Amino acid sequence: AQSVTQLDSQVPVFEEAPVELRCNYSSSVSVYLFWYVQYPNQGLQLLLKYLSGSTLVKGINGFEAEFNKSQTSFHLRKPSVHISDTAEYFCATSNDYKLSFGAGTTVTVRA
Amino acid sequence: GAGVSQSPSNKVTEKGKDVELRCDPISGHTALYWYRQSLGQGLEFLIYFQGNSAPDKSGLPSDRFSAERTGGSVSTLTIQRTQQEDSAVYLCASSAPAEANVLTFGAGSRLTVL
Repeated sequence: AQSVTQLDSQVPVFEEAPVELRCNYSSSVSVYLFWYVQYPNQGLQLLLKYLSGSTLVKGINGFEAEFNKSQTSFHLRKPSVHISDTAEYFCATSNDYKLSFGAGTTVTVRA
Repeated sequence: GAGVSQSPSNKVTEKGKDVELRCDPISGHTALYWYRQSLGQGLEFLIYFQGNSAPDKSGLPSDRFSAERTGGSVSTLTIQRTQQEDSAVYLCASSAPAEANVLTFGAGSRLTVL
């Protein structure tokens, strides 16, 4: 079964600093990968997705991720974070129609 | 509708009571999912509906849990004889036929079982 592992449970970062959230996947078949964000007391919102094609994927709010097949990774990056980026971030993979999520990474942005 | 709508947003119930959680997916979305989010368990898949096909119920944790989807639209998740371990946020999501892997989530229903 496909799965993802998020390597960091908590990531504190200062405002305007870069951030990277790490995600590794395990799969022997075609890979669909996603990053979702969950702001406090809200549902999950899609940040970006990799289905095929270019390995560098750009998403909303200035986020991007790179699909790396040799390292089985799909790390999420943002060059300069804002206070409003404080949230929980989930990496996910899809097996046909079912999403499997990582445990989540809580990002706390401090002034 | 513009988004996935869930109700109630918060539900507090006593152990042993039955609860119903409702999900109204985006119009035109044929697929509907229920997930559960709880501390220590992360996001767990519960059930999946696709059109008129038989649902995938493989994620339902026990026979106290059931879900139905009427008319291919609104779905109700029912938990009978609630237990404290059922306390969680129940998230509904839907997806369009053209983007079956892209889920749009509702804000969730937070269930607290006392």
